Amino acid sequence: EAQVTQNPRYLITVTGKKLTVTCSQNMNHEYMSWYRQDPGLGLRQIYYSMNVEVTDKGDVPEGYKVSRKEKRNFPLILESPSPNQTSLYFCASSLGSGSYNEQFFGPGTRLTVL
Amino acid sequence: QKEVEQNSGPLSVPEGAIASLNCTYSDRVSQSFFWYRQYSGKSPELIMSIYSNGDKEDGRFTAQLNKASQYVSLLIRDSQPSDSATYLCAVGGGPYNFNKFYFGSGTKLNVKP
Repeated sequence: EAQVTQNPRYLITVTGKKLTVTCSQNMNHEYMSWYRQDPGLGLRQIYYSMNVEVTDKGDVPEGYKVSRKEKRNFPLILESPSPNQTSLYFCASSLGSGSYNEQFFGPGTRLTVL
Repeated sequence: QKEVEQNSGPLSVPEGAIASLNCTYSDRVSQSFFWYRQYSGKSPELIMSIYSNGDKEDGRFTAQLNKASQYVSLLIRDSQPSDSATYLCAVGGGPYNFNKFYFGSGTKLNVKP
């Protein structure tokens, strides 16, 4: 089944404790992206990747890191999480780069930082 | 100023009626427009994409784009209770932001039986 998977689905952590949220897709998609969703603010793009080893900042990259060492995986790293990073996170992928491509979303990761 | 604006709703329509969802965007060189549906607690799923001015129909859904007015809409005909969800408008970046996407905060639709 073609899908985007994320792990963990739920995470409660404390301020400053490094964490990684994994994202994997099995559709051989070139483009992958991370979003956070907050009430009243909608989905905001954190980082995106056009292909292996090619990443760029979205609108809200502060406090996050990403890497794309393999085409299928695009982990999101929070080196020192803070309470304002409490949010619902979605990973998405699309076949190609560029804004004409339709994105497929993972199931989401709900993160709480205490 | 928000890139993509939507009325948060809720928009309530009776079963069988037409639901009309609207979205405006600020970057006049945007070239791609999408409507996603998001059920509570779930991830967004694509309903429609539209790239050219005019209407695009797919089953009960019609997307309308007016680039001059920077306006995109989604019509849902014969609305069903299963259409009750939040609808997200997304706009692809223009030539200088070609790999970026901007989402509105969504309109909640309630279809009453």
